[in-house]
Amino acid sequence: QSVLTQPPSVSAAPGQKVTISCSGSASNIGSHFVSWYQQLPGTAPKLLIYDNYNRPSGIPDRFSGSKSGTSATLGITGLQTGDEADYYCATWDGSLSAGVFGGGTKLTVL
Amino acid sequence: QLEESGGGLVQPGGSLRLSCTASGFTFSEHAVSWVRQAPGKGPEWLSYFSSSRSTIYADSVKGRFTITRDNAKNSLFLQMNSLRAEDTAVYYCARDISSLAFDVWGQGTQVTVSS
Repeated sequence: QSVLTQPPSVSAAPGQKVTISCSGSASNIGSHFVSWYQQLPGTAPKLLIYDNYNRPSGIPDRFSGSKSGTSATLGITGLQTGDEADYYCATWDGSLSAGVFGGGTKLTVL
Repeated sequence: QLEESGGGLVQPGGSLRLSCTASGFTFSEHAVSWVRQAPGKGPEWLSYFSSSRSTIYADSVKGRFTITRDNAKNSLFLQMNSLRAEDTAVYYCARDISSLAFDVWGQGTQVTVSS
């Protein structure tokens, strides 16, 4: 059971927009930066968003991140079939003195 | 890039040493971490080694795993002792650019703990 809560699954049609939530607490999201990852089957996670809303070089602006209080959100616009993957949020937890990942959200592009 | 090695099959209670070799960037200037992923599960952060040589461990491995680095060899290591079945996972090393922000990952190395 992760300290960061994500919906198990989300779905949307190609071209549409989807958001994935990540709910935490004051000791993690509330006081530390949040990162988001995309993981395709059989591959390592890929960093999409860091420091709440920054995109690494090469990540298209279809991907966006935001944070409010103890929750963070990943947004994906212009959905493509290639976006079908598992998505994870991650941050530091000051109470645990440990890094934590969310349980993951499986995105289906219908 | 990063490349892990050293995984394999080990009996419960056994030990294994993972290596991670970096290339293409100045290894000594970056913090690095070990992250694992059990079958069908999400990633789990294990340990962190900063550029200033401080280390942190997850409670699940504290006292059993030891992270070290050799900047002269651009290498990161994870010594794993007292291995348990629940340590079975793919182990990744990753470059840490911010709070749990890993921008470069290795391909992973499989560790299986079974009798």
